Order: sequence, then structure tokens, then C-alpha cells
Amino acid sequence: GAGVSQSPRYKVAKRGQDVALRCDPISGHVSLFWYQQALGQGPEFLTYFQNEAQLDKSGLPSDRFFAERPEGSVSTLKIQRTQQEDSAVYLCASSLERTRSNQPQHFGDGTRLSIL
Amino acid sequence: SQQGEEDPQALSIQEGENATMNCSYKTSINNLQWYRQNSGRGLVHLILIRSNEREKHSGRLRVTLDTSKKSSSLLITASRAADTASYFCATPIIQGAQKLVFGQGTRLTINP
Repeated sequence: GAGVSQSPRYKVAKRGQDVALRCDPISGHVSLFWYQQALGQGPEFLTYFQNEAQLDKSGLPSDRFFAERPEGSVSTLKIQRTQQEDSAVYLCASSLERTRSNQPQHFGDGTRLSIL
Repeated sequence: SQQGEEDPQALSIQEGENATMNCSYKTSINNLQWYRQNSGRGLVHLILIRSNEREKHSGRLRVTLDTSKKSSSLLITASRAADTASYFCATPIIQGAQKLVFGQGTRLTINP
């Protein structure tokens, strides 16, 4: 596709349920990022993949959060035993190159997660 | 925690006027990027300015960077209703990964 695609766009879950959020990056993009954006705030970094390798997961808030990118393309962010504070928009971004920080990131429209 | 602080947090102007948003950051940078976010959408990259550049233009956008003051500004000239959005500055963390650290954003409203 032409851009980063995320699904679902909206997800409502009850507290304690597990959720899985999907990201399809731009074809050929090596780097993939997940961010969490609270209402009225800027995005905050969660984790980073270079191809299938998860090189940085320092932003994951707890061990309930898990991300994978097994074939170096599609990525899934999983949240186990969801809590109300997990409610946020989860943004995925991809960029073309591996090591250069002067590459713009291309964002999907995000998944808005609401935990009841 | 967030690296940058945008100022003002909200800005409302009339169509045709210029809009200026400021960003301050804390650590040394290789570059600084500005993004736009329309309501309910993802972020769109606007412009990147490298640490050795002082000013950069792209269409109606003008970005300045003052590394001595650790600050940047984004100027949108001749604003249009379609410019209504939130604007974020972001800096990549230098240590290898490209992860971006965003400010809290400026919510810009252009009144017709």
C-alpha cells in the first residue's frame, strides 16, 4: 500500500482482556516504531524494530506489553490484562533506512484503544 | 518523559495571518523535525532541519534552529483553514536508534 496501515482503527475492550494491534508498514521500510499517544499529548516512544530484530523496547510501560515483527514486515503490539491507563492512541511508524536518524518517519492513523 | 516543549500550547488566528510556533529541547541533537497531526489522524512529516543549519524553507513553511538556545520555530505564512491541526517538534535520540522524542504540541486553529 501507499502508506502505513493500522488495524483496527478503534478497539474497545474490558479491563483484563488481551488486545492485539496490527501495523503494516510501507513496503521495503526497514525500521518500524510504536508510539503511545495520550489525549492532548505528543506521542511517546514504545519500541523499535530494525527488520525483525527488536533493538529497543525501553519505552514499553510494563511486561504486559509485547511487540513482534517476525518476518520483518507486519508488526503486532499485544497488551495483556489491559488496564484503564492503557487507553490511548497507539501509533505505528516506519522509515526507510536503518541507521540514519535524518530519515522522516511515516505514521499510520493509529488505533484508538479504550479500556472500560 | 518528553524532550521538547512547544509554545504556545494553543494558537487561534484568522485565515491569511502568519502562525509562529516555538519548540525548546534539552539535549544535543543531530536534527529537529516538525510534524503535523490532523484530528484523529497520524502524524505527517513537514520538514527536517539539521543541527548545522539555521533556517530552512518549504513552501509556506519556514523553520529556524538555534542550537545555542536549544530552540526552534516553525512559521506558517498566509495561513489557510486546512492548516488547522496540532504541530509537534521532534528530536531523534542520538544513541543509534532513530526513535523520536516529541514535544506536547501546539494546537493551531485557523478561523475563516
